[in-house]
Amino acid sequence: GDSVTQMEGPVTLSEEAFLTINCTYTATGYPSLFWYVQYPGEGLQLLLKATKADDKGSNKGFEATYRKETTSFHLEKGSVQVSDSAVYFCALMLRAQKLVFGQGTRLTINP
Amino acid sequence: GAVVSQHPSRVICKSGTSVKIECRSLDFQATTMFWYRQFPKQSLMLMATSNEGSKATYEQGVEKDKFLINHASLTLSTLTVTSAHPEDSSFYICSVPGQGDTEAFFGQGTRLTVV
Repeated sequence: GDSVTQMEGPVTLSEEAFLTINCTYTATGYPSLFWYVQYPGEGLQLLLKATKADDKGSNKGFEATYRKETTSFHLEKGSVQVSDSAVYFCALMLRAQKLVFGQGTRLTINP
Repeated sequence: GAVVSQHPSRVICKSGTSVKIECRSLDFQATTMFWYRQFPKQSLMLMATSNEGSKATYEQGVEKDKFLINHASLTLSTLTVTSAHPEDSSFYICSVPGQGDTEAFFGQGTRLTVV
């Protein structure tokens, strides 16, 4: 079945460090791929998305490229801030607008 | 995008009681809403699809008699956890689909603790 595997956390970095959170997927078709972020006490917010191979999603300094050949959608940011501390979810949407999520990665940025 | 409000954000209940969670789409009419559940340190898993004016569609392994879903209007879906037990303690979150297969908007989630 369809599935998403995310880099296990928690991840702790210092401010201005480079961030990578790995995400790979398994799907029978051609899914759309997403990164969602959940700040403490809040719901999930869409961070970025890509709907076809080689698309790059970007938002707030975060980027992820849809790599069909490696079935990956790794999240990157060049210089993280304390305010980026949150839980990040990789997800795919294949049909009927149902999302399949990875397990989430808790990111903590220390000043 | 759509604004989705979920209530309550946290609830503690005793074993054997029922708990109702509301999901409201504040600025968008939704014929379909989705309910997800997240156990500690695990992924969000789709529980069911809530359909306005008709029965909900449940994912495999989800007990429909335990998790009652009512989608009475285009802006409100409710999830009732009946006869709750400690193993039902989880994070429940609803979502409203956006345009096409490229968007979904989420509520704040409900942390349910059954004692």
